[in-house]
Amino acid sequence: GAGVSQSPSNKVTEKGKDVELRCDPISGHTALYWYRQSLGQGLEFLIYFQGNSAPDKSGLPSDRFSAERTGGSVSTLTIQRTQQEDSAVYLCASSLGGGLRTEAFFGQGTRLTVV
Amino acid sequence: AQRVTQPEKLLSVFKGAPVELKCNYSYSGSPELFWYVQYSRQRLQLLLRHISRESIKGFTADLNKGETSFHLKKPFAQEEDSAMYYCALQEYGNKLVFGAGTILRVKS
Repeated sequence: GAGVSQSPSNKVTEKGKDVELRCDPISGHTALYWYRQSLGQGLEFLIYFQGNSAPDKSGLPSDRFSAERTGGSVSTLTIQRTQQEDSAVYLCASSLGGGLRTEAFFGQGTRLTVV
Repeated sequence: AQRVTQPEKLLSVFKGAPVELKCNYSYSGSPELFWYVQYSRQRLQLLLRHISRESIKGFTADLNKGETSFHLKKPFAQEEDSAMYYCALQEYGNKLVFGAGTILRVKS
C-alpha cells in the first residue's frame, strides 16, 4: 500500500518489559514523526526525523524512550522497562519535508497496553 | 517555543448550527498552520491548511496574526462532522506541533 504502515496494531506487554514499535513511512518522505495519543492528553510530540539531520528528540518523556530511523526509511520506537503510564496509542506520520509540502500522513497507530 | 492552544476539549452543537473551533498559537515567526481531523475509527488526516486558503467540507479557517488565532468555522454543522479536531503549527523545516484537540459532537 501507499500509506504509512505501523506494526503491530496492538501490543499488550507486562510492566517492566521492553517493546519495539515499527513505522514504515511513505516512500520518498524525508520527514518522520512519532506522537503519543492518550485520552485527555491530545497528541503529544515525541521525536522528529528530517533527512540526514540530527533528530529532534525534545518530546521524549524519559530516557526509557528511544527511536531510530535506518536508511532514511523505516523507524523503530523502543520503550524500555515499560510502565503503566506508557499505555497509549503511538502514532507515526511522514511528510515530504519542510516548507509548503508539509502535509503529514499518519499511520493507523499502535495501541500499547502495559499490564 | 512553539505552542498551540485549543481551549475547548468538547464542543457540542445541534445539526444546522454554526461551529467555531478555537485555536490560538504562540510563535514569533511566520508559521504554517493546519487543521487535522480524526473521524471515528479512521486515521488522523489533514483537513485544511492556511496557505491554501481553501474550504474543505464547508470548513474554513482564517489566520489572524494580530490575535495569533486560526479558528475553524463552518456555518451549518452536519452530523458527519462529529470527530476530533486538532490544530497544528509548523515552522519551515521543523517539527509539527499539535494542540490538545477538540471533540466536536453534532447532535440531531
